[in-house]
Amino acid sequence: ETGVTQSPTHLIKTRGQQVTLRCSSQSGHNTVSWYQQALGQGPQFIFQYYREEENGRGNFPPRFSGLQFPNYSSELNVNALELDDSALYLCASSLRAQRGTEAFFGQGTRLTVV
Amino acid sequence: AQSVTQLGSHVSVSEGALVLLRCNYSSSVPPYLFWYVQYPNQGLQLLLKYTTGATLVKGINGFEAEFKKSETSFHLTKPSAHMSDAAEYFCASGGDSSYKLIFGSGTRLLVRP
Repeated sequence: ETGVTQSPTHLIKTRGQQVTLRCSSQSGHNTVSWYQQALGQGPQFIFQYYREEENGRGNFPPRFSGLQFPNYSSELNVNALELDDSALYLCASSLRAQRGTEAFFGQGTRLTVV
Repeated sequence: AQSVTQLGSHVSVSEGALVLLRCNYSSSVPPYLFWYVQYPNQGLQLLLKYTTGATLVKGINGFEAEFKKSETSFHLTKPSAHMSDAAEYFCASGGDSSYKLIFGSGTRLLVRP
């Protein structure tokens, strides 16, 4: 059984550019959530995808968007990058979109915006 | 609004001493509570979770936590700290929605030899 994998592990982008981060969910999981973890803070929920549909969204602007594919892998896209977007982006997969279902996290993608 | 508060951004203990990391939550519905650990440059690993039933929850690596509704707390403990326990610990609540976890700001545990 493979765990949650994210790519790339590190990324440096220039302000104003666009970035795509990728996540492969754990085998058998149909739900993927994305979190942003700024330095020294706890993760903040961005959005969740369940069976290829957005299932909930946190307080992030529309330039943060996502996709989930039929194999339940997912992408996070960020347009018009700002310096404050520099953070660790975590993907988490779970067996179902229900309260109390534990989420399994990937190792994250460290994005630096310069 | 749902929230999670972790008291103490840094906790330092001696190897072999008791570990106590504090977490308080607020939720309008019975909460589901989690503790995660994060090692440097890594993702989050689940230590334990409380959903329903027994209020004392045992997790991996000798950690346990007790859900106290009257105190709205879910403190994490370990009887004897090991050097390998040095990491960042996050308390999280999956309270009033099915789709997100609300995390505390984290507590960095330092273990002195």
